[in-house]
Amino acid sequence: NAGVTQTPKFQVLKTGQSMTLQCAQDMNHEYMSWYRQDPGMGLRLIHYSVGAGITDQGEVPNGYNVSRSTTEDFPLRLLSAAPSQTSVYFCASRRAGGSADTQYFGPGTRLTVL
Amino acid sequence: TQLLEQSPQFLSIQEGENLTVYCNSSSVFSSLQWYRQEPGEGPVLLVTVVTGGEVKKLKRLTFQFGDARKDSSLHITAAQPGDTGLYLCAGAESNYQLIWGAGTKLIIKP
Repeated sequence: NAGVTQTPKFQVLKTGQSMTLQCAQDMNHEYMSWYRQDPGMGLRLIHYSVGAGITDQGEVPNGYNVSRSTTEDFPLRLLSAAPSQTSVYFCASRRAGGSADTQYFGPGTRLTVL
Repeated sequence: TQLLEQSPQFLSIQEGENLTVYCNSSSVFSSLQWYRQEPGEGPVLLVTVVTGGEVKKLKRLTFQFGDARKDSSLHITAAQPGDTGLYLCAGAESNYQLIWGAGTKLIIKP
């Protein structure tokens, strides 16, 4: 099993550009989520999905879109990048049993918006 | 919104010393998890505690969940350089949401 994979590892964007961060998991997990991690702050939930075709907003959804067409993939789209979106982005997955289940994280995408 | 405060924010000690880091909230969580994150990688789950007063041991790491399920501690005995990393706690607010602390950055010097 590859677990949770994310691409790209690093990305630099100019203000106003759009891009998609890719996330895939091969564990057949129903629940997937996107977080951002900023210095001195905990992980903040952007969007999450409890299964294919179902997505919902987390704590900081503005400026981001997601879709879940398959169980495996959960891409995160930045519509018009802003410097405030400079961060490290993590995708995670777990079974649908509940928040106490083990959550598996990808290696992260480090995004810089100039 | 529930908040989780972790202390200390930063800790640097010598190999062989003992240490304790804390995770505190004014709210009750149904469960609490501890993760370790190394530079350039995602967090990795160490333990989940569910019952108030629960103590779990993972080799030299001892995790305790407070009786009221509002706080938790992580104690490391005889710290080793391999314990270096960012330790994050996360409390379960609902079936889907986790509330995350900002983390304790731990450095163990050889």
